[in-house]
Amino acid sequence: GAVVSQHPSWVICKSGTSVKIECRSLDFQATTMFWYRQFPKQSLMLMATSNEGSKATYEQGVEKDKFLINHASLTLSTLTVTSAHPEDSSFYICSARDSIRTGPTFSYEQYFGPGTRLTVT
Amino acid sequence: AQSVTQLGSHVSVSEGALVLLRCNYSSSVPPYLFWYVQYPNQGLQLLLKYTTGATLVKGINGFEAEFKKSETSFHLTKPSAHMSDAAEYFCAVRTGGTSYGKLTFGQGTILTVHP
Repeated sequence: GAVVSQHPSWVICKSGTSVKIECRSLDFQATTMFWYRQFPKQSLMLMATSNEGSKATYEQGVEKDKFLINHASLTLSTLTVTSAHPEDSSFYICSARDSIRTGPTFSYEQYFGPGTRLTVT
Repeated sequence: AQSVTQLGSHVSVSEGALVLLRCNYSSSVPPYLFWYVQYPNQGLQLLLKYTTGATLVKGINGFEAEFKKSETSFHLTKPSAHMSDAAEYFCAVRTGGTSYGKLTFGQGTILTVHP
């Protein structure tokens, strides 16, 4: 099946610094990727939709200037947490959407990365 | 707007017993429904999905789920639990239109399997 990787798998940073998380689709091209965050013992919450070659679409309540998303190629999207604070500590998960052609129709599947654990001290 | 409700944040079963994880959804258009499993500190793995057609869907690891439109439900079952099934399970719904591709997740259900 399709594989999505994330790097790093965990990161610790100091308050006020920025940290970049990479999401890569390894064996397919993804024009669309999604970024989620998951707080302990909670569900995944969609932060933004990342589209290759265009600006990301952010969900309501997500600060676009704090969570910078860049989708510069069909296999790579990055999430940069700027001026990180302890409340940004969370598990960040990306997913990449693959299109599958079955005869004349297309369907879409999302494949999830393994997640990145961010701890801000 | 779409939403998902998973009844029971924790479910505990004995090894070999039936597993039943409940999921109800709300959607104004025909939904696509998914069940994912998450092991600690890992991403999500797709167990099964319903798009169209047969309402009883079989997935990996012996799991299956039945789409019941009249009950707006998509409960996950497995006849006989294994210790390796212990994990957190998420039900999700996806609709088309302007939110095409966006998944809305339920709160998750932690499954514990006792020897």
